[in-house]
Amino acid sequence: GAGVSQSPSNKVTEKGKDVELRCDPISGHTALYWYRQRLGQGLEFLIYFQGNSAPDKSGLPSDRFSAERTGESVSTLTIQRTQQEDSAVYLCASSPRLANTQYFGPGTRLTVL
Amino acid sequence: AQSVTQLGSHVSVSEGALVLLRCNYSSSVPPYLFWYVQYPNQGLQLLLKYTSAATLVKGINGFEAEFKKSETSFHLTKPSAHMSDAAEYFCAVSDGNDYKLSFGAGTTVTVRA
Repeated sequence: GAGVSQSPSNKVTEKGKDVELRCDPISGHTALYWYRQRLGQGLEFLIYFQGNSAPDKSGLPSDRFSAERTGESVSTLTIQRTQQEDSAVYLCASSPRLANTQYFGPGTRLTVL
Repeated sequence: AQSVTQLGSHVSVSEGALVLLRCNYSSSVPPYLFWYVQYPNQGLQLLLKYTSAATLVKGINGFEAEFKKSETSFHLTKPSAHMSDAAEYFCAVSDGNDYKLSFGAGTTVTVRA
């Protein structure tokens, strides 16, 4: 079946604008994860969902970041009042359940001017 | 808490030569260890994973890694590099019950003809 998909693939926005990033996990995967990859750095964990519940939001960098998930399907990561330091590739992954192999999408490259 | 250190941000090898990428981890519990590869403009692809079974793990594309508890290492090797191995490689760790992966900073591999 299809892998994890993310949209848009690229997003350029102006500082102060809000952006929404979308992730469609593999069908049937109950767990969904968001990571951020800054240039030249490894991945930072942001948040995960088990179903539509997000038990731990401690990885979100600030209260400008939020995420939601509809059932066990699509998830949206929203960044309000974007700042230049938000520029990064945002990666989504899903797995059949928690603590299982994570399958990654191609990412959304966000550039904040 | 878990963490990963990848020694060497860039590795250059000749085609046909050994590829060796170093990864050391810290974990307070028996770890689950992963190697992912990221080709340009693509998402992360799982190469292999260690989950407390055999200490020598074979993955895709001829890669393998050996878990050495005494050295807290999980180095990735491939006996003979191919041009298609040029990519960025990430080592990651989780505690098996956790929901998030902790990634190293990545190692970029270039292959010389």
